[in-house]
Amino acid sequence: GAVVSQHPSRVICKSGTSVKIECRSLDFQATTMFWYRQFPKKSLMLMATSNEGSKATYEQGVEKDKFLINHASLTLSTLTVTSAHPEDSSFYICSAWVTGSRPLHFGNGTRLTVT
Amino acid sequence: RKEVEQDPGPFNVPEGATVAFNCTYSNSASQSFFWYRQDCRKEPKLLMSVYSSGNEDGRFTAQLNRASQYISLLIRDSKLSDSATYLCVVNLPSGGSYIPTFGRGTSLIVHP
Repeated sequence: GAVVSQHPSRVICKSGTSVKIECRSLDFQATTMFWYRQFPKKSLMLMATSNEGSKATYEQGVEKDKFLINHASLTLSTLTVTSAHPEDSSFYICSAWVTGSRPLHFGNGTRLTVT
Repeated sequence: RKEVEQDPGPFNVPEGATVAFNCTYSNSASQSFFWYRQDCRKEPKLLMSVYSSGNEDGRFTAQLNRASQYISLLIRDSKLSDSATYLCVVNLPSGGSYIPTFGRGTSLIVHP
């Protein structure tokens, strides 16, 4: 079945540093990738929609200069959390999608802790 | 009104019980419907697709009711391992295309 690889699975960083998270679709070409964040015991929150070769579309309230998304190819999207602060600590999950009737496939998530 | 709505629960049931969740969607032009399962601190995993004709996989049955704009998930003979959050996903029309949209999830707790 389709596999989405997300890396790293866990990262601890200091305030003010930037963290890059990679999301790769391993055996299919994803026309669209989605980035979510999830706080403990809360729902998934869509942050942005990323289409290959075009600028990401950010949800209301998500700072595009804070969360940089690059979707350089049909198999790779990256999310960079710039100048991270403790309130950015969360579980970040990507998903990859081939438009149409197919289901989403998720990466295994990145747990970010900013100290 | 949210585009995709679920009762957050929690649904607290004993082992062996039958439990059903519903998920309503607001746009009648929606297409493609899915149920996902999410365990604590893990990513969502696809449980099953949902069709008007119904879809059964072992103890799990999913159904789409287009007239009333909801999908359902029935779990028979609940196991402790079924404890999780169940998310419905509906592909909603958006700008000439469709976007997968999540409900907030329904929490299920199966106790001995």
